[in-house]
Amino acid sequence: EDKVVQSPLSLVVHEGDTVTLNCSYEVTNFRSLLWYKQEKKAPTFLFMLTSSGIEKKSGRLSSILDKKELFSILNITATQTGDSAIYLCAVSSGGYQKVTFGIGTKLQVIP
Amino acid sequence: GAVVSQHPSRVICKSGTSVKIECRSLDFQATTMFWYRQFPKQSLMLMATSNEGSKATYEQGVEKDKFLINHASLTLSTLTVTSAHPEDSSFYICSASETGTDTQYFGPGTRLTVL
Repeated sequence: EDKVVQSPLSLVVHEGDTVTLNCSYEVTNFRSLLWYKQEKKAPTFLFMLTSSGIEKKSGRLSSILDKKELFSILNITATQTGDSAIYLCAVSSGGYQKVTFGIGTKLQVIP
Repeated sequence: GAVVSQHPSRVICKSGTSVKIECRSLDFQATTMFWYRQFPKQSLMLMATSNEGSKATYEQGVEKDKFLINHASLTLSTLTVTSAHPEDSSFYICSASETGTDTQYFGPGTRLTVL
């Protein structure tokens, strides 16, 4: 059974702090790893990672994948209150576009 | 960017009625669409994967006769919750992948409340 494990489950930081969210996985026939941000409604896409060691960056967010150790991290620098959300990690595997989601990390950024 | 819409955004119905939820990819063609359910404070749970022109693949524990999925075109999939009961009340979210890619783009979700 494919598994995606995220840590920590919950995190409270002050504005301006840097956070690192972790995602480890065990899947058959890995295709890609995806990060999403979920606020009040449906998730919004952040990154898709397919190759090890190549950092994807978007503003204050960045992510990297390690396919040997089977994990990914999502970094957020200079956090703002608008970064408060649940961050979901998902792994696409197999040949049928099957995607397994982790339970998410709830990030709260306080002023 | 890729946009997925869902309709309706919220529905309240009586127990025993059927509810249809539509999921549309607005600016791309989606060979595959996914239906998820999310209960409060829980993660997304994949219900089924639907491919245009073929039968949907349901996850273990999801009743295919209760949750009817139709993916009639490359831009539209529908989920019908038949004979809905209060325990079916949940947040239903669809997502769509552009043909040949893994990235899923999510619709805004439909909040279903069954009285």
